[in-house]
Amino acid sequence: GAGVSQSPSNKVTEKGKDVELRCDPISGHTALYWYRQSLGQGLEFLIYFQGNSAPDKSGLPSDRFSAERTGGSVSTLTIQRTQQEDSAVYLCASSLVRGQPQHFGDGTRLSIL
Amino acid sequence: AQTVTQSQPEMSVQEAETVTLSCTYDTSESDYYLFWYKQPPSRQMILVIRQEAYKQQNATENRFSVNFQKAAKSFSLKISDSQLGDAAMYFCAYRSAGDTDKLIFGTGTRLQVFP
Repeated sequence: GAGVSQSPSNKVTEKGKDVELRCDPISGHTALYWYRQSLGQGLEFLIYFQGNSAPDKSGLPSDRFSAERTGGSVSTLTIQRTQQEDSAVYLCASSLVRGQPQHFGDGTRLSIL
Repeated sequence: AQTVTQSQPEMSVQEAETVTLSCTYDTSESDYYLFWYKQPPSRQMILVIRQEAYKQQNATENRFSVNFQKAAKSFSLKISDSQLGDAAMYFCAYRSAGDTDKLIFGTGTRLQVFP
């Protein structure tokens, strides 16, 4: 596609439910990143994929958070047993190769009731 | 650990005027990259300008330029001839030239542009 695509655009769910957020990177981009942006804050790094492997997952805040990438393309970020503090905008970015500029999607706004 | 600080939560400028957004960072590394991203209400982060730490020359992209002071660990963004479309959140970001590829962001500056 022309840019990084994220779905859903908005997600509202009840505390305790599991959610899956999807990221479709720019075609041919080998590197993929997830960030979290809480209200009024900058972006916080979560995880980085090179191909299907994740060399840096240091930003995942707890074991309730996990992510995978299949076929070197689409990535899914899963949050289990959601808590209110998980409410944020989750942004995905991709780059052609590691070290190149990161191109961002529009994000998924996650609201936990 | 590296940190990025933006001390101006909000700034305003009149259309056609010039405004400078401040950013400081802390690192023990000698080789790294610095970025300014723009985030309009659409939420998408748009790369405005990028600076390699090993380059002494300040980066310029049309109306946008930076003042990179490596010794002072300062990286300010100057927007000349401000336009209404420049109104957005602006984030300063740092990336190591080492193994990690993650961006470390400041908390942002909201820029308002008045006609």
